[in-house]
Amino acid sequence: KQEVTQIPAALSVPEGENLVLNCSFTDSAIYNLQWFRQDPGKGLTSLLLIQSSQREQTSGRLNASLDKSSGRSTLYIAASQPGDSATYLCALPRNRDDKIIFGKGTRLHILP
Amino acid sequence: DAGVIQSPRHEVTEMGQEVTLRCKPISGHNSLFWYRQTMMRGLELLIYFNNNVPIDDSGMPEDRFSAKMPNASFSTLKIQPSEPRDSAVYFCASSPGQGATYGYTFGSGTRLTVV
Repeated sequence: KQEVTQIPAALSVPEGENLVLNCSFTDSAIYNLQWFRQDPGKGLTSLLLIQSSQREQTSGRLNASLDKSSGRSTLYIAASQPGDSATYLCALPRNRDDKIIFGKGTRLHILP
Repeated sequence: DAGVIQSPRHEVTEMGQEVTLRCKPISGHNSLFWYRQTMMRGLELLIYFNNNVPIDDSGMPEDRFSAKMPNASFSTLKIQPSEPRDSAVYFCASSPGQGATYGYTFGSGTRLTVV
């Protein structure tokens, strides 16, 4: 059974710092992995989708990596800004024809 | 495209009342998912449809919950009778294909409070 873990549950860093958010999963036979952002009281916004054949994806200041063999993905945020404050969730499918399951997220707070 | 549209945004109802949540997926997406989010349990999948057919409803908590997708552009999630423990944010998401290959787009959610 696939389980998704995100540690830490919460993180506070000063503005301008680079930071890394972690996501681990128990079954390495994944098809893809998706990172989402959720602002308080809002829906989920897709940030990056990494297919199983890829090692990383980049969008602006965000870079997501995937290491299936170790069951890990990281989301790197460069030059953090107060507007990056949100909860970041990773999600992946149980199998190819199935729906995704979510980690519980990391609540990020960027200190001005 | 307007994205995934959910209504209402907020719903407050009394215990025992029927509640209906609505979702319009992105045009052309043929998979639709209903999720529930609570502080304790995070995001849980309730049910998903492919080409308007329910594929997996194993996440539906009990018989009080039911979901329908009468056509490709509309789905409902109904709770009857509602209970305070049903209070949560309910999200609808859609995807271009079956399963996980293409990623998911979420609506803004319906915040349900049952008093």
